[in-house]
Amino acid sequence: EAQVTQNPRYLITVTGKKLTVTCSQNMNHEYMSWYRQDPGLGLRQIYYSMNVEVTDKGDVPEGYKVSRKEKRNFPLILESPSPNQTSLYFCASTLTGGRSPLHFGNGTRLTVT
Amino acid sequence: DAKTTQPPSMDCAEGRAANLPCNHSTISGNEYVYWYRQIHSQGPQYIIHGLKNNETNEMASLIITEDRKSSTLILPHATLRDTAVYYCIVPNAGGTSYGKLTFGQGTILTVHP
Repeated sequence: EAQVTQNPRYLITVTGKKLTVTCSQNMNHEYMSWYRQDPGLGLRQIYYSMNVEVTDKGDVPEGYKVSRKEKRNFPLILESPSPNQTSLYFCASTLTGGRSPLHFGNGTRLTVT
Repeated sequence: DAKTTQPPSMDCAEGRAANLPCNHSTISGNEYVYWYRQIHSQGPQYIIHGLKNNETNEMASLIITEDRKSSTLILPHATLRDTAVYYCIVPNAGGTSYGKLTFGQGTILTVHP
């Protein structure tokens, strides 16, 4: 089944403890991206990747890192999480070219205390 | 990517058609219009997309004006399960398509009995 898989679904952590949220897709998509969603603010893009080893900042990249060492995986790294990074996170992927829809993962709800 | 504008909320009676507008006045000639919806805190779900012509699938219809500056998503017989946030986006279909992508806050559609 074609899908975008995020792990974990729920994560509670403490300030400063490094964490990684994984995202994997099995559709051979070039484009992958991360979003965070907070009440009243809609979906805001954190980082995106046009292909392997190509990443760029979205609208809210501060406090996050990403890597794209292989096509299927696009992990989101929080080196030193803070409470303002408590949010619902979504990963998405698609083919490049603008003619294919985005496929979203089921989300990761992160709480930083 | 072209900026889109949507009303923050709309209501619709169950069984009636829901018509959700989107303004994308800065769209360029090769950019597609995409519609997604998000139910509760699930990952956004693709609905439909189009370039110039009107489109229809099993979920909805998309009407794009001749000048392509606006579009309307039509849910022909809305049900309570169509209550969701609906997003209209226009990713750049050029060589750097699906780069930095803004979702905005979408339209909250409430279908009532």
